Amino acid sequence: TQLLEQSPQFLSIQEGENLTVYCNSSSVFSSLQWYRQEPGEGPVLLVTVVTGGEVKKLKRLTFQFGDARKDSSLHITAAQPGDTGLYLCAGPPRDSWGKLQFGAGTQVVVTP
Amino acid sequence: GAVVSQHPSWVICKSGTSVKIECRSLDFQATTMFWYRQFPKQSLMLMATSNEGSKATYEQGVEKDKFLINHASLTLSTLTVTSAHPEDSSFYICSARGWTGGFSNQPQHFGDGTRLSIL
Repeated sequence: TQLLEQSPQFLSIQEGENLTVYCNSSSVFSSLQWYRQEPGEGPVLLVTVVTGGEVKKLKRLTFQFGDARKDSSLHITAAQPGDTGLYLCAGPPRDSWGKLQFGAGTQVVVTP
Repeated sequence: GAVVSQHPSWVICKSGTSVKIECRSLDFQATTMFWYRQFPKQSLMLMATSNEGSKATYEQGVEKDKFLINHASLTLSTLTVTSAHPEDSSFYICSARGWTGGFSNQPQHFGDGTRLSIL
């Protein structure tokens, strides 16, 4: 099993602060995806990173895929209460037939 | 685009009854659908992979006779929790993935989940 380890598990910050969530594996992934999930809802796809070293920006969110395609990070600048949620990284294991392996998630709470 | 609808969103029923959850892809054809289970404050745990027109593939430890999956069309998959008991109470989420031309980069699109409570 190709495990994805997310850190930290929980992050509580004040509005306006920056935060970074990490997603690490000992295995190479062909791509990694980041999702945000709010209570009582399904995960919503934020981004897919495919190329080693790739950086993608989505407004105040910056996603990076490691050069070796074994890790990824999500950085949020000037966090807002609306950024609160469970952030999940996921990637397709080798020979997975389209499955996704999810990390354990990082619960982010941004207080006003 | 890529909307997945899951129904019902919340169900409460008595122990011993069977519950059916529907997952529909509204604007694309889903060759593959996935069913997940999620406990509070935890990540998604894959239960089974459902391909249109064929039997579902269950993950290790998931009872196929307990969780019946049917994927009869390219837009609909159903999960039936048979003879449900309180320990089956959970948040069940489906996702759908369209035809990718063979490569696995296509993302899964998730439904909004079904909160199942067994009394």
